[in-house]
Amino acid sequence: EAGVTQFPSHSVIEKGQTVTLRCDPISGHDNLYWYRRVMGKEIKFLLHFVKESKQDESGMPNNRFLAERTGGTYSTLKVQPAELEDSGVYFCASSQDYPRSDTQYFGPGTRLTVL
Amino acid sequence: AQSVSQHNHHVILSEAASLELGCNYSYGGTVNLFWYVQYPGQHLQLLLKYFSGDPLVKGIKGFEAEFIKSKFSFNLRKPSVQWSDTAEYFCAVTLQNRDDKIIFGKGTRLHILP
Repeated sequence: EAGVTQFPSHSVIEKGQTVTLRCDPISGHDNLYWYRRVMGKEIKFLLHFVKESKQDESGMPNNRFLAERTGGTYSTLKVQPAELEDSGVYFCASSQDYPRSDTQYFGPGTRLTVL
Repeated sequence: AQSVSQHNHHVILSEAASLELGCNYSYGGTVNLFWYVQYPGQHLQLLLKYFSGDPLVKGIKGFEAEFIKSKFSFNLRKPSVQWSDTAEYFCAVTLQNRDDKIIFGKGTRLHILP
């Protein structure tokens, strides 16, 4: 069974540019989560999709961040325009909805550097 | 707000030493508890979890953790570490019967000397 995959693994952009991160969850997993780790800090929740619907987006830092999950499969997280403080590692995770699973499986992360 | 506190940010041990990583959480309700591990160059992966039942939980690779409700703690232990245990360890919680988001601690970098 393939795990959660994320693309790209690394991205280096300049302040003001746009970046789109992609996450492919484990096949059949309805729940998809985005998390972020800023250097020196804890991994923090950004948002949660159930299929294509946003269940909880309370962790999104501001309106420069836009997450989508069209069709309930892969998800994208767009940052536009990027700021220096957006640098960090962005993790995606997925879990089953039925039968219910409380275990989230994580992808390798995308390391974003904003210069 | 709910939070998870890990006592040590960086731990250095020699092989065969015993390990205990401290973790405390702040939340008055019922929680699910986790330890995740990230080996160098690899994904975050689940080491062990506690939802209910026996408060002593055994995980992969000889790790175990004990939930002490009165102390709001979930410390991770291993009696004899190996060089391959070098990794970053994260304590985490989710709030039972509420949202699924994981609340992580800041992580502990464990370095095992061969």
